[in-house]
Amino acid sequence: DQQVKQNSPSLSVQEGRISILNCDYTNSMFDYFLWYKKYPAEGPTFLISISSIKDKNEDGRFTVFLNKSAKHLSLHIVPSQPGDSAVYFCAAKRTGGSEKLVFGKGTKLTVNP
Amino acid sequence: DVKVTQSSRYLVKRTGEKVFLECVQDMDHENMFWYRQDPGLGLRLIYFSYDVKMKEKGDIPEGYSVSREKKERFSLILESASTNQTSMYLCASGTSGWDEQFFGPGTRLTVL
Repeated sequence: DQQVKQNSPSLSVQEGRISILNCDYTNSMFDYFLWYKKYPAEGPTFLISISSIKDKNEDGRFTVFLNKSAKHLSLHIVPSQPGDSAVYFCAAKRTGGSEKLVFGKGTKLTVNP
Repeated sequence: DVKVTQSSRYLVKRTGEKVFLECVQDMDHENMFWYRQDPGLGLRLIYFSYDVKMKEKGDIPEGYSVSREKKERFSLILESASTNQTSMYLCASGTSGWDEQFFGPGTRLTVL
């Protein structure tokens, strides 16, 4: 049973435009959500997070939106740059529990110059 | 600068061999994790540890064991490597609560 879903395996956008990556979750106990970026042959690097008490968190070009009622979050990258081309993983956890992160399967973003 | 290091970037082993993957973190984190990443399957948790000598099974523990004798070190052991354990292995560490996990660079293991 997949608790965190990224339904788009890939996304292609033009440089300078907005990239929107989506993530859905099923476990209502999750209260902390994270996005990681991963280049080939490297470990994932943390990008941005949001707790369930917020509906938006912004860090430079990256903004994460959380819609708790829909159990949906999205990552917006504006403007997109070729260096943003990577696989993006959405992850969720229930704080105060086992501290396990549950990951989605990832979305491969390609930003074309 | 926070750091999680893994003993090897690339490893080639034969079927049936015992394989040790080592992970060390320098952030004094209590939690450490082993994942494997396979195309189309994302990151799947194998084992994790929330304290020295403590361990818990993740989603896919079969064929693996772990050891945590010191807080900074978490080892993943493949008792008898099989070809379906060919994968990218990622170690991570973190604290509890509203905090991210930090990942090592990964070990690409090939079992022939």
